[in-house]
Amino acid sequence: NAGVTQTPKFQVLKTGQSMTLQCAQDMNHEYMSWYRQDPGMGLRLIHYSVGAGITDQGEVPNGYNVSRSTTEDFPLRLLSAAPSQTSVYFCASSYEGGSEKLFFGSGTQLSVL
Amino acid sequence: SQQGEEDPQALSIQEGENATMNCSYKTSINNLQWYRQNSGRGLVHLILIRSNEREKHSGRLRVTLDTSKKSSSLLITASRAADTASYFCATDGAGTASKLTFGTGTRLQVTL
Repeated sequence: NAGVTQTPKFQVLKTGQSMTLQCAQDMNHEYMSWYRQDPGMGLRLIHYSVGAGITDQGEVPNGYNVSRSTTEDFPLRLLSAAPSQTSVYFCASSYEGGSEKLFFGSGTQLSVL
Repeated sequence: SQQGEEDPQALSIQEGENATMNCSYKTSINNLQWYRQNSGRGLVHLILIRSNEREKHSGRLRVTLDTSKKSSSLLITASRAADTASYFCATDGAGTASKLTFGTGTRLQVTL
């Protein structure tokens, strides 16, 4: 099993550009989530999904969109990138829900100039 | 808002010594988890302790939970250089299903 796979690993955007961060898991997990990690801030929850067709907002959802059309995939979209979105983004999944053991991807380092 | 806060922010010890990290949180929880993050990598789950448990062991790891003080500690015994990483506590606040809140982490450096 590959676990949780994130692509790309690194990305540089200009302000105003759009892009999609990809996340896929092959563990048949119902729960998937996106976190961002900034220095001194720990990880903050952006959006999460408890199953295909169901998404909800986390702590810092502004500027990000998500959808969950399949159990395996949970892409994160930045519609108009801003420098404040420069961060490391982690996708995580869980079999038993968002409050149980999370499996993390290796992260996407995003810089917005 | 941060639910969990780790202490200390950074810890440097020698190989073979024990390392203790603490986590304090603000509201009632269902469970508390500890994760490890090696530099440039994703987080790896270490251990989960539920609100009705007081202590849990996993290999060289020992976690305690004191719900009356809203605090937890992670003890790594006989540390190794490979234990060098950042350690995060994460809490599942009561009434916040599907949302794990992470602290800011403790950076542990284990030197030979």
